[in-house]
Amino acid sequence: AQSVTQPDIHITVSEGASLELRCNYSYGATPYLFWYVQSPGQGLQLLLKYFSGDTLVQGIKGFEAEFKRSQSSFNLRKPSVHWSDAAEYFCAVDNFGNEKLTFGTGTRLTIIP
Amino acid sequence: SQTIHQWPATLVQPVGSPLSLECTVEGTSNPNLYWYRQAAGRGLQLLFYSVGIGQISSEVPQNLSASRPQDRQFILSSKKLLLSDSGFYLCAWAKPTDGNSPLHFGNGTRLTVT
Repeated sequence: AQSVTQPDIHITVSEGASLELRCNYSYGATPYLFWYVQSPGQGLQLLLKYFSGDTLVQGIKGFEAEFKRSQSSFNLRKPSVHWSDAAEYFCAVDNFGNEKLTFGTGTRLTIIP
Repeated sequence: SQTIHQWPATLVQPVGSPLSLECTVEGTSNPNLYWYRQAAGRGLQLLFYSVGIGQISSEVPQNLSASRPQDRQFILSSKKLLLSDSGFYLCAWAKPTDGNSPLHFGNGTRLTVT
């Protein structure tokens, strides 16, 4: 069965530190890959997406993600986090090209001063 | 520009009561529309999606139903709510493409069934 795994339920980092959120998927072919961010009580906002081409994609708010086919991973990174980055982050996959996304269970990010 | 509206933002309903959540999209035509549910501490579960007026696909068996009476209107309903229906409900839209169109989400409805 298709699955998306975000192994870290909760991550705490200091403001200004670097960040990496992990995402692994299990599909036969290269899927379409997304990262979304959700602030408390809000909907989800698209951070970035990967469809094909360059495996390092840039997104909004200074985020980037790298697709690694050999590891079936699409990890999200940011060189220096800001307090406003505290939120929940979801990785999502569309394997069949029909906009029916499968979401991971999310990683909650806490920023400490 | 396109916008998506969901209401109400919060709702508290007793068990056995009916439910109607509404979602509308502006600034685009013939969007794909989706209802997701987010339970506490869990990811998002796709409940329904629609590729056109009157066309509804259900992803999981449940106590809920969906309807699309107009091109840009998507309604989530229940005749009798269960405690397990509590959660955060998100409506989303996407351009109909081959899958590389991202979802755009509303701000969600927090439903508490008491």
